[in-house]
Amino acid sequence: EIVLTQSPGSLSLSPGERATLSCRASQSVTSSYLAWYQQKPGQAPRLLIYSASSRATGIPDRFSGSGSGTDFTLTITGLEPEDFAVYYCQQFGTSGTFGQGTRLEIK
Amino acid sequence: EVQLVQSGAEVKKPGESLKISCKDSGHSFTFYWIGWVRQMPGKGLEWMGIIYPGDSDTRYSPSFQGQVTMSVDKSINTAYLQWSSLRASDTAMYYCARLTNHYFDDWGQGTLVTVSS
Repeated sequence: EIVLTQSPGSLSLSPGERATLSCRASQSVTSSYLAWYQQKPGQAPRLLIYSASSRATGIPDRFSGSGSGTDFTLTITGLEPEDFAVYYCQQFGTSGTFGQGTRLEIK
Repeated sequence: EVQLVQSGAEVKKPGESLKISCKDSGHSFTFYWIGWVRQMPGKGLEWMGIIYPGDSDTRYSPSFQGQVTMSVDKSINTAYLQWSSLRASDTAMYYCARLTNHYFDDWGQGTLVTVSS
């Protein structure tokens, strides 16, 4: 089973700043198998990025994904107040796993 | 637009059985895998497994194999997650979600399961 490790565990930033979230896999992940989700309190997760770098429908272009192999990154440029949430990476090859999440907090 | 609607919150005692549901109001139920995701209180997301409604092919995560059972009823576009004997540690929010290619692009609203004596 592939283990996904996200860092940092929490991140404190101000609106307008840039957030860089990391997701590292215990073994190589095919890029098309890597996704990112956003979860706000009391809500179901929402798909942000799929295939490592493609934005899901309706996702603003301040969200971008990159990476390959074992290292993937979610970048949010120009943080908006509604972006403060928990973010998860996820992979699904033969079996699926999620990272433990990064909490993005308002500074 | 696919919409997954889950059954309501449940409060059960340890040892009791439970079956929760996830109804797909769309028209493509048998063409996509449906996954189940656990979120324990204050914790992250855990991949439990997936089921293909077309033929009920099921793939459990190793951590959940033997602990739960996934099933579907194609006639009513509904997927199920069930326990034969609940434990306090099963207390969590459970989400169903549609798997498109290799990611979940549509999620149910979640079913909160509370197991307490």
